[in-house]
Amino acid sequence: KQEVTQIPAALSVPEGENLVLNCSFTDSAIYNLQWFRQDPGKGLTSLLLIQSSQREQTSGRLNASLDKSSGRSTLYIAASQPGDSATYLCAVPTQGGSEKLVFGKGTKLTVNP
Amino acid sequence: SAVISQKPSRDICQRGTSLTIQCQVDSQVTMMFWYRQQPGQSLTLIATANQGSEATYESGFVIDKFPISRPNLTFSTLTVSNMSPEDSSIYLCSVRDTRNQPQHFGDGTRLSIL
Repeated sequence: KQEVTQIPAALSVPEGENLVLNCSFTDSAIYNLQWFRQDPGKGLTSLLLIQSSQREQTSGRLNASLDKSSGRSTLYIAASQPGDSATYLCAVPTQGGSEKLVFGKGTKLTVNP
Repeated sequence: SAVISQKPSRDICQRGTSLTIQCQVDSQVTMMFWYRQQPGQSLTLIATANQGSEATYESGFVIDKFPISRPNLTFSTLTVSNMSPEDSSIYLCSVRDTRNQPQHFGDGTRLSIL
C-alpha cells in the first residue's frame, strides 16, 4: 500500500529565505508526482507535476525534484515571501498505473515578514 | 487548466439530514473524483465518479452514505446522507484528463453538522 510522508509537518521562516520541503513515498513504481498548495479553508492548487522520466520541474521560484529509486521528492522555494504561507501537499498514484492519488499530510509553511 | 466550480461553498446542516454537493467543470474531462478532508487531516479519496455508470468507491465508503451521480463529462454530484457530526469535513471535487496531466481541484465545500 502506497504511503506518503512529508517532513517537516510545519516550518516557519523569515521572508527571503530559501527552503526545502520533503516528501517520501513507499512504492517507487510511480509514473509521476504532483505538488499542491492549499490555503486555509480552500481547495488545492496544482503547483508542479513531475513525470517519472524527469528529475526536475521548475515554475518561477519553485523547483521540484524527483528521485524515484529512493522514493523521494523535494520542493525548493527560493526567496520566500509572506504570500507563500500555505500548506504544501505532495501526492503520488495509489499503485502502479492508477489515476487515483494518495496524499501526504502536508507541510504547513509560515513566512514571516 | 479546467475551471471547477463547487456548490455550495459551505453549509451548516442538522443531524440526520442530507446535502447534495455539485461540481461543474468548464470543459469535458475524463476523470472526476470526490475527496474528503477531515479537520487537520490530509485528503482521503471517497470515490471515482464514472460517467454513465455507478461510481467506484474506496474502502470505507459506501454508496448508501455517499451516492454519486455523473450524468455527463462536465458535471457530478456527491450526496452526504443521514449526516452526523463525524461527517463535518471539507468535500472536494477534482478532475483529471489523463494520468500524465495534473489533477485539478475545486475550492471545496466546508460542511458542518450540528
